[in-house]
Amino acid sequence: EIVLTQSPGTLSLSPGERATLSCRASQSVSSNSLAWYQQKPGQAPRLLIYGTSSRATGIPDRFSGSGSGTDFTLTISRLEPEDFAVYYCQQCGRLPYTFGQGTKLEIK
Amino acid sequence: QVQLVESGGGLVKPGGSLRLSCAASGFTFSDYYMSWIRQAPGKGLEWVSYITNSGSTIYYADSVKGRFTISRDNAKNSLYLQMNSLRAEDTAVYYCAVPGGYWGQGTLVTVSS
Repeated sequence: EIVLTQSPGTLSLSPGERATLSCRASQSVSSNSLAWYQQKPGQAPRLLIYGTSSRATGIPDRFSGSGSGTDFTLTISRLEPEDFAVYYCQQCGRLPYTFGQGTKLEIK
Repeated sequence: QVQLVESGGGLVKPGGSLRLSCAASGFTFSDYYMSWIRQAPGKGLEWVSYITNSGSTIYYADSVKGRFTISRDNAKNSLYLQMNSLRAEDTAVYYCAVPGGYWGQGTLVTVSS
């Protein structure tokens, strides 16, 4: 099983700042198999990024993804108030598909 | 547009059973593999099970293997999860999902005496 470890667990930033979220895999993950989701309280997760760096439909260009192998990053260039949420990475290249434990992005 | 609607959740005693359903619309259901994913209260996401478009290949997380059964009816555009021998740790919101990042709104399963 591929274990995904996200860091930091909690990130405290202010609107307008840049956020950098990390996802490290225990084994190499195919670049076309790494996704990022955003989840707000009481809602289902929303796909932000698929294939490491492709934005899903309707996702603003302040969200970007990068990485390869075992290290992947989600960057939010300038935080908007609606971006404060929990973010999960997921690998869907090898079963069992696995998620990271999440990074909570909170307002400082 | 793609729509996934889960149903069948509720309160059940430990050792009991429930069958979840997921009604799909807005895409060609028989073309896609489907997954169940769950989220315990206040916790992260856990992938539970996967079924290929034909139903010929199925995988389960170790935590549910032998107790849960995934199935699908392509004629009815529906996905199912039969959950037996339920435990307190199975308490969660259960989501169905299709590739492309589409998820349902989830159905809550509570296992408690």
